[in-house]
Parts: sequence; structure tokens; C-alpha cells
Amino acid sequence: DSGVTQTPKHLITATGQRVTLRCSPRSGDLSVYWYQQSLDQGLQFLIHYYNGEERAKGNILERFSAQQFPDLHSELNLSSLELGDSALYFCASSVEAGTYEQYFGPGTRLTVT
Amino acid sequence: AQSVTQLDSQVPVFEEAPVELRCNYSSSVSVYLFWYVQYPNQGLQLLLKYLSGSTLVKGINGFEAEFNKSQTSFHLRKPSVHISDTAEYFCAVSEYGGATNKLIFGTGTLLAVQP
Repeated sequence: DSGVTQTPKHLITATGQRVTLRCSPRSGDLSVYWYQQSLDQGLQFLIHYYNGEERAKGNILERFSAQQFPDLHSELNLSSLELGDSALYFCASSVEAGTYEQYFGPGTRLTVT
Repeated sequence: AQSVTQLDSQVPVFEEAPVELRCNYSSSVSVYLFWYVQYPNQGLQLLLKYLSGSTLVKGINGFEAEFNKSQTSFHLRKPSVHISDTAEYFCAVSEYGGATNKLIFGTGTLLAVQP
């Protein structure tokens, strides 16, 4: 158990819908990263938040957005869903110093039908 | 920008045999290097990392990797594999001293250990 929690574990929804994925980092970790894992794109970095502020963006679609709240949990919002958005979405947390290790949650598997 | 290449999408190996999973990276700046393992239906777990210092790093579960700057490689090795090592292995880099430690992953190598 990495100490990072993600909910829900599975999500099945229809095209055009909007969903919210939630991530709670390990206690004391200020950074949250979001990654997408799909068969055709592999593991891709989406976005990084540090203590509530956006630090970096990757190949994140405009239909996707994220935020980190004062209690440090983070949410990834996916809207106008398309079939191609079906993927495993991971969040990871880090202390951003020392070991630079990122601890990954178990992921949310999103299926768009 | 950084990129990671894992040329072998799948590596079949017999139990108790040695294995090497290859990783090459490209970057215009210094990087940190990582190997992560993903077991079926699970998240990613860090196997080992190279930040600085000795180029031979040891990780969990008997794995080790060697950083070779001239060849821009970070190959993962294990002298004797077990059935339980069957998993997907990802090599990753992050930029040294950057504003973010985002990870850039390779495409992964499936290690299939056969009895």
C-alpha cells in the first residue's frame, strides 16, 4: 500500500458525459501528479500540482482540468468524454525533495461507452 | 525535452535465469532515472532510482541497474528471476533541478517468467 488513495476504482460512463476522479496523497506530500495509461499512448504525464498551485502541464486535453484543494487532495475533471478517453488514470504524490520518489495510487479505470 | 526508449516490448525468460531489460534515454539536460514495476491490476511501484553517485544502483527484489552516461542507458538486471517477477517494467526519467519532477516513461517491457 503506497498510502495514496484514488476513488472510484472503476468508472463506466457514456460519451459526452463528465466525470471527476479523486486523489488523496500520502500524509505530508505536497505534490500531486496525474498520469494517463492507455494502450495506444502508454503512460503519459498530464499535470502536476504543488501545494495548491499548478506546476506543470503535459499533453492534457482542454476538456480535462484539475485542481488541488487546501487539504492537498486533488481532483481530475474530464468532460465531453470520448471513447478514446478510456484509460487508467493514476495519481502519484511526492515530497519534492530528497529521494524524488513518486508514490502511485492504484488508479481509476475509466471506460467510456 | 526528454524521451525514453525501451526497445523490448516483451522479454520471455525461464525461472532462475538471468535477465536484462534495456532502457535508453535522450535529454539535453541532466536527468534522474527510475525503474518502476506494475503488477497486473495494480499501480506502479518504484524498483530503484539513480540520482547521483555510484552508477550501479540496487533496488528491491534483487534488481539492480547501471547508469551509463556515455551510452545514455540505464539497463535493469536480475541474476535469477522468479515466477513472481512477471510484470510490466517501466523506465522513466525526470529533469534534474527542474520546476517539476514529472516522469517521462518508456513504453514498458513485459517480463514473462516461465517455469
